[in-house]
Order: sequence, then C-alpha cells, then structure tokens
Amino acid sequence: EVQLVESGGGLGQPGGSLRLSCAASGFIFSSYEMNWVRQAPGKGLEWVSYISESGGTIYYADSVKGRFTISRDNAKNSLYLEMNSLRAEDTAVYYCAREMTTVTIFDYWGQGTLVTVSS
Amino acid sequence: QLVLTQSPSASASLGASVKLTCTLSSGHSTYAIAWHQQQPEKGPRYLMSLNSDGSHSKGDGIPDRFSGSSSGAERYLTISSLQSDDEADYYCQTWGPGIRVFGGGTKLTVL
Repeated sequence: EVQLVESGGGLGQPGGSLRLSCAASGFIFSSYEMNWVRQAPGKGLEWVSYISESGGTIYYADSVKGRFTISRDNAKNSLYLEMNSLRAEDTAVYYCAREMTTVTIFDYWGQGTLVTVSS
Repeated sequence: QLVLTQSPSASASLGASVKLTCTLSSGHSTYAIAWHQQQPEKGPRYLMSLNSDGSHSKGDGIPDRFSGSSSGAERYLTISSLQSDDEADYYCQTWGPGIRVFGGGTKLTVL
C-alpha cells in the first residue's frame, strides 16, 4: 500500500525557517517524481514545487521561488521542503504528492502537515 | 497562460447525478487533466485522469459511479447515484512546462 506521511509542520516566525519531511513507503520511491502542494485555510490547492526521480530537475511556483528548497533522499525514501524567509501567506497545510510515471498527474497524496506563520 | 476554471459550487440531491465542469484556457484545449476529491478535513484523493478524447483512467478503488468526459476545452466529472460522502471539494489539475496547475475547486453539496 502506497503511503506518504508528512511531518515537521508547526509554528514558524515571520522571516524564520521550517523543514518539512515526507516519508514514503509501499512503492519504489526512487522511480517517482514528487511534489509539494499547499492549501491555505479555507482556500484551494496550490502547487509549490516539483523534483525529478534523481533530484536533477526541480521547479518552483513563483510564490516560493528563492525562499523554499525541495530535495529528496532516495536511500531514506524521503522528500523534504526547506522553507526560509517565512511569510504569513505561507500559512497552509502542506501535502506531498506522487506523480504517475506515465503522465504528470498526482496519483497519491499524504494527509498533510500544518504550517502556521505568526509572531 | 495555462488556467483551469471551475464553478465554485454545485448541488444535487441524494441518489441523483451531477456533472462538474473544468474549463481549460485558450490554446490549451487538448490538454489532459486529473480530477481529485477532497472530503472535509481530509487530504485530496486522486479520482481519474481524463484525456481530450474523453478516455479516462480511474484511481484505485474509485467506484463506477464516477466517470469523465470531454468536449473541446471542457472536461467533465459525472457522479451518479449521489451518496452523502460524495459531498466534498473537487479539483481539476493539469500541467505545463515546469508547472503544475489546479483549478479553484468546486464545492459539491448533496441535498
């Protein structure tokens, strides 16, 4: 069974940093592209970042470019999101999501971890 | 610019059918999309991928009550025999060079 379990959320200070993790199981992690998606309170889904199977290709949404860094450790079956220069508008539930191998569609999602940015 | 447009809300009665729409922006009418369901207080769940010709492929365990179809730049999700736990937010999703895009979501109320 495919499982994605996020952790690392919590209260962050404006201008501060947080690191999110996503532990993957039930599939060959190194064979799949991965993403982070967020959802602000009461709002819709917003794509945040993408990383290829090897980590060699990375994309970011304009809203986080230069502040967030996505990475992965295939030996540990883990995906990460380093969040720096936090802003109030980064407050959201953050989900990791797996992409299908044949088409750029998210086929499995985690349950999410809440990040709150406030002083 | 690649944009997906969804109506903010829809409603239908228990046991009835409902058809939700996702519209691709101009110049992107051949794009495939995915439909995702998000029940209250839960993470999203993948429902199906949907091509421009209407062919679709459903996720694991998605019942036959969920189906997809296409016409031009519009992509549809039809839910038949509505049940109370179909009350949820429904999002369409697609992709372009270096980006992934979501529609604004449709909140479905089952009356």
